[in-house]
Amino acid sequence: EDKVVQSPLSLVVHEGDTVTLNCSYEVTNFRSLLWYKQEKKAPTFLFMLTSSGIEKKSGRLSSILDKKELFSILNITATQTGDSAVYLCAVFPGTYKYIFGTGTRLKVLA
Amino acid sequence: ETGVTQSPTHLIKTRGQQVTLRCSSQSGHNTVSWYQQALGQGPQFIFQYYREEENGRGNFPPRFSGLQFPNYSSELNVNALELDDSALYLCASSLALENIQYFGAGTRLSVL
Repeated sequence: EDKVVQSPLSLVVHEGDTVTLNCSYEVTNFRSLLWYKQEKKAPTFLFMLTSSGIEKKSGRLSSILDKKELFSILNITATQTGDSAVYLCAVFPGTYKYIFGTGTRLKVLA
Repeated sequence: ETGVTQSPTHLIKTRGQQVTLRCSSQSGHNTVSWYQQALGQGPQFIFQYYREEENGRGNFPPRFSGLQFPNYSSELNVNALELDDSALYLCASSLALENIQYFGAGTRLSVL
């Protein structure tokens, strides 16, 4: 059965810290891996990683994909209180649905 | 903001009732997917609609059904509500053959 596992489940840090969120997957087929940020309700798109794009960066956020070891990490440097959210990892196997992990809840303290 | 809008934002129903949730997709997007997100869990795929036809379905019983209209908006219907149906229901729109889905703010359904 296809599955996506995220760790840690929750994390509390102080402003200015750097965090690394992990996502491992086991799927029959793989087309892409996506990261979303969910603050209250709507997950908002952060990155998509594919075989042809295994590293992405946007400001303080960056992500890499290791297709051999079947995992991805999301790094956030110089964290701010506005980074507090649930971060969701999803794998798109190339059919029609995303397979989500349970998410990592990040709390950044001032 | 993604341009995907869902209504209502909150809903309270009792067990056995029926509910209809609505979603307007982002302009130009022809594919709509529905997900159920229980508290503390990741979203679970319910089904997807493309060109007014169901394009794929997750592990949900037939009492979960849907529609897509010619303007690409969509409805999710749930019959014979059970307590475990209490969750956040998310709608996501995308262009067919593109991998990125854009989510609405969801409808919080409480079944008492």
